[in-house]
Amino acid sequence: AQKITQTQPGMFVQEKEAVTLDCTYDTSDPSYGLFWYKQPSSGEMIFLIYQGSYDQQNATEGRYSLNFQKARKSANLVISASQLGDSAMYFCAMRGDSNDYKLSFGAGTTVTVRA
Amino acid sequence: NAGVTQTPKFQVLKTGQSMTLQCAQDMNHEYMSWYRQDPGMGLRLIHYSVGAGITDQGEVPNGYNVSRSTTEDFPLRLLSAAPSQTSVYFCASARDRLNQPQHFGDGTRLSIL
Repeated sequence: AQKITQTQPGMFVQEKEAVTLDCTYDTSDPSYGLFWYKQPSSGEMIFLIYQGSYDQQNATEGRYSLNFQKARKSANLVISASQLGDSAMYFCAMRGDSNDYKLSFGAGTTVTVRA
Repeated sequence: NAGVTQTPKFQVLKTGQSMTLQCAQDMNHEYMSWYRQDPGMGLRLIHYSVGAGITDQGEVPNGYNVSRSTTEDFPLRLLSAAPSQTSVYFCASARDRLNQPQHFGDGTRLSIL
């Protein structure tokens, strides 16, 4: 079984500052993938960034980067230079290679960017 | 690009009624899945399919049926609606590879009275 934990239900960040969203996971799969999704108030799910368990480098996509610490089983999302449009719910998710690649989600973190 | 299309976007049902939520994708993805989203609980997997003719249960399958007769379509059936099934339902598709992100439809907001 796999489990994703996001311990921050809500966060506030000042515009143009960076914010880190915590995600820890638990799995017995030797190979797995970690994903972050953004859900704005309009409701759609937007894929942001992916990190593979065997990737040597932390993933980056524009203003999004993933602080991957495999030994600690954490995959924190860093959003740099926050913008008002970053206000949304953010979900960490994982697919493992032993269970039909099912995607398991954390409970999510709400980010509110203040002007 | 259509991507993943869900219909309807909103639906109100009475307890005991049945209905089908439609999901179609045009990306030739092998993998399709249904999730429900409830406040404070993230998305929970209801059923999934790794290809036409193959379906399996997720975390919360009770009260729902699925079928996958074609690669493109993956309908979700509520057999006898209950108030506990009031939720937002998302359909998603992906390539059947570990590193492939799931592409989500816009969701169906379902209320059971």
